[in-house]
Amino acid sequence: GQSLEQPSEVTAVEGAIVQINCTYQTSGFYGLSWYQQHDGGAPTFLSYNALDGLEETGRFSSFLSRSDSYGYLLLQELQMKDSASYFCAVGGYNKLIFGAGTRLAVHP
Amino acid sequence: DAGVTQSPTHLIKTRGQHVTLRCSPISGHKSVSWYQQVLGQGPQFIFQYYEKEERGRGNFPDRFSARQFPNYSSELNVNALLLGDSALYLCASSLEVVSNEKLFFGSGTQLSVL
Repeated sequence: GQSLEQPSEVTAVEGAIVQINCTYQTSGFYGLSWYQQHDGGAPTFLSYNALDGLEETGRFSSFLSRSDSYGYLLLQELQMKDSASYFCAVGGYNKLIFGAGTRLAVHP
Repeated sequence: DAGVTQSPTHLIKTRGQHVTLRCSPISGHKSVSWYQQVLGQGPQFIFQYYEKEERGRGNFPDRFSARQFPNYSSELNVNALLLGDSALYLCASSLEVVSNEKLFFGSGTQLSVL
């Protein structure tokens, strides 16, 4: 089967750094993606890792270790607007399998 | 350029009815996927279409069907609605078909089944 695990909730303060972990079990793995979704909004693409290592996009970075079936999303210099749900997703053949999401609450 | 557009934004149906949801992908995107998102959960894959052909199907009953048109727009049909079909239905388009490297989602159709 295919499954992804990520923490259900994370809390942090403005300006801090937070890491959201994701472990997965899947067949036909192509890459690990991260999406952000604000309440009432659509998921928006943040990052994609096809190979092991770190990908950096502004304040957001994503890491993948294929041998460990593990990845994480790192959010730096947290802002209030970063309060949202974050989903890791595994790219399989012709589909994307999402985790249940991590709800990030950023406090002043 | 317009993003992925979906219609309607909200829909209320009763059990047993049929519903059709519509999606227009980003210009130039030939792949359209449908996802169901229940409150508090991640999106769950329903279908992927590319060049009018079904390329992938998730674990959903045959009551769910879809098609893609020559202009790459798509419809999702659900027959014999059940209360459990109440969810946000998301359409996504992409350039990449196989790996789904980067999906662009529409704002979704919120379906309520009473």
